Amino acid sequence: EIVLTQSPGTLSLSPGERATLSCRATQRISSVFLAWYQQKPGQAPRLLIYGVFNRASGIPDRFSGSGSGTDFTLTIRRLEPEDSAVYYCQQYGPSITFGGGTKVEIK
Amino acid sequence: QLQLRESGPGLVKPSETLSLTCTVSGGFVNVATYYWSWIRQPPGKGLEWIGDVYYSGSTNYNPSLKSRVAISIDTSKNQFSLRLTSVTAADTAVFFCAKGGDGYEEWGPGTLVTVSS
Repeated sequence: EIVLTQSPGTLSLSPGERATLSCRATQRISSVFLAWYQQKPGQAPRLLIYGVFNRASGIPDRFSGSGSGTDFTLTIRRLEPEDSAVYYCQQYGPSITFGGGTKVEIK
Repeated sequence: QLQLRESGPGLVKPSETLSLTCTVSGGFVNVATYYWSWIRQPPGKGLEWIGDVYYSGSTNYNPSLKSRVAISIDTSKNQFSLRLTSVTAADTAVFFCAKGGDGYEEWGPGTLVTVSS
């Protein structure tokens, strides 16, 4: 099983700043099967990024994904108050696992 | 627009079987390019993939739950279902159904299932 470790656990930033979220896998993830989700309290997760760097429908270009192999990054430029949420990475090949999440707080 | 909605009992007794159904509207489950999944989230914790089913009926399960899980699909009703046997308090969670493709593109709102006597 591929284990995904996300860091940091919590990120506290001000509006307008840049957030950099890390996701590290215990094995190489092949075929770019890496996604990122945003989850706000009481809501289902929302797909942000799939295939490492492809933005899902309706996702603003402030959100970007990068990485390869075992190390992946979600970058949120120009943070806005509504970006306050927990962010999860997920690998979907082989099998499916989620990271433990990074909480982004907007000061 | 595709919508998913979970339904089933909100309270299950320990050692019994948890059964949930996901009803899909605005689209069809018998599409070869998608798969249909169950994911759970214990209160205050992260997401855990339970398993998925294809329109053909083939399934994949989380190895940690495989001995207790069964996921099935009913294309005539445009639904897919989850059964989790021998539940304990550790199975208390919000259960989500979701459409898989390139990541999980669509999710149901989730339903809280509490395991308690």
